[in-house]
Amino acid sequence: DQQVKQNSPSLSVQEGRISILNCDYTNSMFDYFLWYKKYPAEGPTFLISISSIKDKNEDGRFTVFLNKSAKHLSLHIVPSQPGDSAVYFCDIRNTGNQFYFGTGTSLTVIP
Amino acid sequence: NAGVTQTPKFRVLKTGQSMTLLCAQDMNHEYMYWYRQDPGMGLRLIHYSVGEGTTAKGEVPDGYNVSRLKKQNFLLGLESAAPSQTSVYFCASSQHTGNQPQHFGDGTRLSIL
Repeated sequence: DQQVKQNSPSLSVQEGRISILNCDYTNSMFDYFLWYKKYPAEGPTFLISISSIKDKNEDGRFTVFLNKSAKHLSLHIVPSQPGDSAVYFCDIRNTGNQFYFGTGTSLTVIP
Repeated sequence: NAGVTQTPKFRVLKTGQSMTLLCAQDMNHEYMYWYRQDPGMGLRLIHYSVGEGTTAKGEVPDGYNVSRLKKQNFLLGLESAAPSQTSVYFCASSQHTGNQPQHFGDGTRLSIL
């Protein structure tokens, strides 16, 4: 059973507009939620995180939202830039050394 | 600071051959991980280690072995390579789990013919 799902394999957005990437999970016992960005031929790099006691965390153009009742995590990028074109993975984990990666969403920002 | 370094970056093997992928980290991290990434499958955990001398199985451990003889190194071995093991392999490390992000290497692209 997949614990974490990123249902959109790809997303295209015009430069300057908002990009919204989504992640759904099944277990309400997760405590920490992270997003990574991956460029081709490179490893994923950490982008932003949120803990279960919060519902929003902001870092510059990147904002992560957590809706615990809906078991839904989202990453908003505003404004989107061509350099944001990458694959984005969510990483959802609990305090018991269990963590699960989503399958990734490939974002293309069109100039 | 090099972070996480994977060796080699590319390799082509014949079915049945063996090889070892090396991962080295210079951040004094306790935890280390090996993943494989296949199209549409995301990152799947093969094995991980919570400290020197310890290893544990992840989601897809069959056909792989690992060793963590030194804190900074985590080796992934394929004893008898199979075409199904053609993939991109990523190593990562972290100080611990919780909310600590993982730091990834740039990957090893492995093809088994």
